[in-house]
Amino acid sequence: LAKTTQPISMDSYEGQEVNITCSHNNIATNDYITWYQQFPSQGPRFIIQGYKTKVTNEVASLFIPADRKSSTLSLPRVSLSDTAVYYCLVVPPPGGGNKLTFGTGTQLKVEL
Amino acid sequence: GAVVSQHPSRVICKSGTSVKIECRSLDFQATTMFWYRQFPKQSLMLMATSNEGSKATYEQGVEKDKFLINHASLTLSTLTVTSAHPEDSSFYICSATGPDPGTDTQYFGPGTRLTVL
Repeated sequence: LAKTTQPISMDSYEGQEVNITCSHNNIATNDYITWYQQFPSQGPRFIIQGYKTKVTNEVASLFIPADRKSSTLSLPRVSLSDTAVYYCLVVPPPGGGNKLTFGTGTQLKVEL
Repeated sequence: GAVVSQHPSRVICKSGTSVKIECRSLDFQATTMFWYRQFPKQSLMLMATSNEGSKATYEQGVEKDKFLINHASLTLSTLTVTSAHPEDSSFYICSATGPDPGTDTQYFGPGTRLTVL
């Protein structure tokens, strides 16, 4: 499974856009990039998944450059409730084995 | 949709006793369920993978005789921590796949906080 590297922590203020970048230099051709959010004492929550270019949903956007060696999770106009740990994972395609390997994650702290 | 529940949410037990944690997929049939453990300020670590009707596959270093996993139906998996000791105190989280055709997206339960005295 491809290893991921992301910043340990980030600070932001309410209303700002937050971009968390993850590097995954050894991503395989068919792997997907998935992001989860975890609040203290809760299970992770799926945020977004993509393969290439850009994916957007009601919560976030995911930008993936052509070489796919990195990805950026973009959270528009964060609020205090977005304070959480964000995990970037590289996962095989459906049917390719679905074990998840969680890295250290990025602790995002949003302040007033 | 895709809701996973766990019971209990927290449990305190004496050293040497056994504790059972339930994981249920409430609105879908889970083809595969996973069990994770998370220590304070650390990331999630996969303990085992469970498929309905078959034996669980444990990760390296996880004692299968200590952490008993049963996946008797497509909506229920249980993790039993046998002869628990203080070092087993942790946050145990389950996840399930199955509701989204063509994907293996995992949906996580809320976790169970185990404290062994």
